[in-house]
This record gives sequence, structure tokens and C-alpha cells, in this order.
Amino acid sequence: AQRVTQPEKLLSVFKGAPVELKCNYSYSGSPELFWYVQYSRQRLQLLLRHISRESIKGFTADLNKGETSFHLKKPFAQEEDSAMYYCALGQTSGSRLTFGEGTQLTVNP
Amino acid sequence: EPEVTQTPSHQVTQMGQEVILRCVPISNHLYFYWYRQILGQKVEFLVSFYNNEISEKSEIFDDQFSVERPDGSNFTLKIRSTKLEDSAMYFCASSRDWSSYNEQFFGPGTRLTVL
Repeated sequence: AQRVTQPEKLLSVFKGAPVELKCNYSYSGSPELFWYVQYSRQRLQLLLRHISRESIKGFTADLNKGETSFHLKKPFAQEEDSAMYYCALGQTSGSRLTFGEGTQLTVNP
Repeated sequence: EPEVTQTPSHQVTQMGQEVILRCVPISNHLYFYWYRQILGQKVEFLVSFYNNEISEKSEIFDDQFSVERPDGSNFTLKIRSTKLEDSAMYFCASSRDWSSYNEQFFGPGTRLTVL
């Protein structure tokens, strides 16, 4: 069975500091990993997906199959990055997303 | 930009009552989903739907749940006899394609409170 773990429920950093949100997964197939973000009073929205290998809003995430991790990183956090971040795992054949518990990121001025 | 919409935003019901949660997916999307999030817990997959039938369902989606696409635009989740533990935020999502490479667009959610 697939599982996603985000070990930090809360993460607080200062503006301009680097930030890393951790995500580990377990899945027997070939994983498809995503980061979703939910800003205050807004809906869940896709931030980035591993297959795209892109940087969105300064965030990047690298899939490390050896460590079964997909950590989200940003070198210089901004106040507008404050939000709930969810790591999600997709199946190779099927559509369900399995979400982690979420990490509430707060970027202080 | 088109969005998934959900109504109502908040539904309060008595235990044992039936509720119907409504969603309007993005118009050119073909795949529809329901997820739920109990307060303080993970977002959990309930069911996916394509071509007027269930594609996949989780162990949570038991006989008290059903989904329907009654017309060309709405997608509904019915809970026949609500229990206290059904209290949660229910999210509808849609995507153009089956593959999970394809982004799932989420609605704002319906908060269901069962008393």
C-alpha cells in the first residue's frame, strides 16, 4: 500500500531564510510525486510535480528514489509562502492521490 | 480561469439523515473525484468517476456513499445515513485525463457537520 509521510506539522522560518519541507513515501511501483499548496482561505492547488522538474515560485523538489523522498526546497523564503503544503503520491495506473498529513509553513518578517 | 465549484460551503445535518453534496467540475474535464479531510487528519481519497461509472473507490467509500452525474454539469456525492464520523471537509476535484500526471483541480470544499 502507498503511504506519504510529512514529519513536520509546523515549520516556521524567517523571511530570506532557506526552507525545506520534508516528504517521504512508500510505494511498490514507480512513484509520481506532487506538491500541493493551500493558501489561507483558498483551495488546494498544484504547486509542482516531479515529472516536470520545474521550479515554481522559487520552489524545487527532487525525487530521491534511494531515500524515497521528495523534499520541497526554496533558498529564500518569502512571507507570501506562508501556507499549508501537502505532498501527494499518484499511482502509475489509476488516478487516486495519496496525501501526506501536511506541513503548515509560516514565514515571519 | 475556470474553477471547480462546490455547494453548499457548509452543511449541518442530523445523524441518520441523507445529504447530497454538489460539485460542478471544469467543463472540458472528463474525470471526477471526491476526497475528504476529517479535521486534523489527512486528505483521503474516496472515489473517482469516469464515463458515468465509478473508476476506483477506497475502502472508506462503503454502501452508504454513492456518486452520480445527473446532468452534463453536476457531480454529486450522496451519503445515505450520516454518522457522526462523517463530519469532515469534502473536496471535489476534476482532471482532463486519467493519468495522475494530469493535474487534479480542486474545489473549495463543503464542510459537513453531523450532529
